Amino acid sequence: QKEVEQNSGPLSVPEGAIASLNCTYSDRVSQSFFWYRQYSGKSPELIMSIYSNGDKEDGRFTAQLNKASQYVSLLIRDSQPSDSATYLCAVYTNAGKSTFGDGTTLTVKP
Amino acid sequence: GAGVSQSPSNKVTEKGKDVELRCDPISGHTALYWYRQSLGQGLEFLIYFQGNSAPDKSGLPSDRFSAERTGGSVSTLTIQRTQQEDSAVYLCASSWTSGEGETQYFGPGTRLLVL
Repeated sequence: QKEVEQNSGPLSVPEGAIASLNCTYSDRVSQSFFWYRQYSGKSPELIMSIYSNGDKEDGRFTAQLNKASQYVSLLIRDSQPSDSATYLCAVYTNAGKSTFGDGTTLTVKP
Repeated sequence: GAGVSQSPSNKVTEKGKDVELRCDPISGHTALYWYRQSLGQGLEFLIYFQGNSAPDKSGLPSDRFSAERTGGSVSTLTIQRTQQEDSAVYLCASSWTSGEGETQYFGPGTRLLVL
């Protein structure tokens, strides 16, 4: 079992819809969770972080964390074609190191 | 301030040659990661430096790969006797750790092509 698993995708949604990206992790002592976005041919960049159970909203993005289920998700409301990218989930543990999932590729169709 | 920089941005080499890839992290960042990313694939962890601790080399794919970090700052990833399967983008990221975790800042990558 991988330490961090994401839906392999690709995920395709129409413009204006909600895109839901999911991530599960295996280490129960994982401390904090991050979502990075990577455009084709570019490097990953941080878009959201979450540390506590529940929801965290930032503009059109909402991160959701459920530590009991070892599950973290990213919702993108009112999806735009510019949101088309690969989304990477990263988990930071008390061991002091982050681990990335393989990413989910999202396509938003106009 | 300046972000993470990497050099060269592109490198074409012949099979069997050695290459050195350089990463200049953000000043003050204590942690530094190297990743490899093949076309259409996820990030493959290679090596992790944290302060003065011994590096985590668990991701290095073979003994042809090595890395060092001098003075807790600049890092060099060396690939000896390159093979065609080494062709990929090599990404470096630096971070600092707060009580809640770390945010990694990525460099632009070095695109390596082994002919």
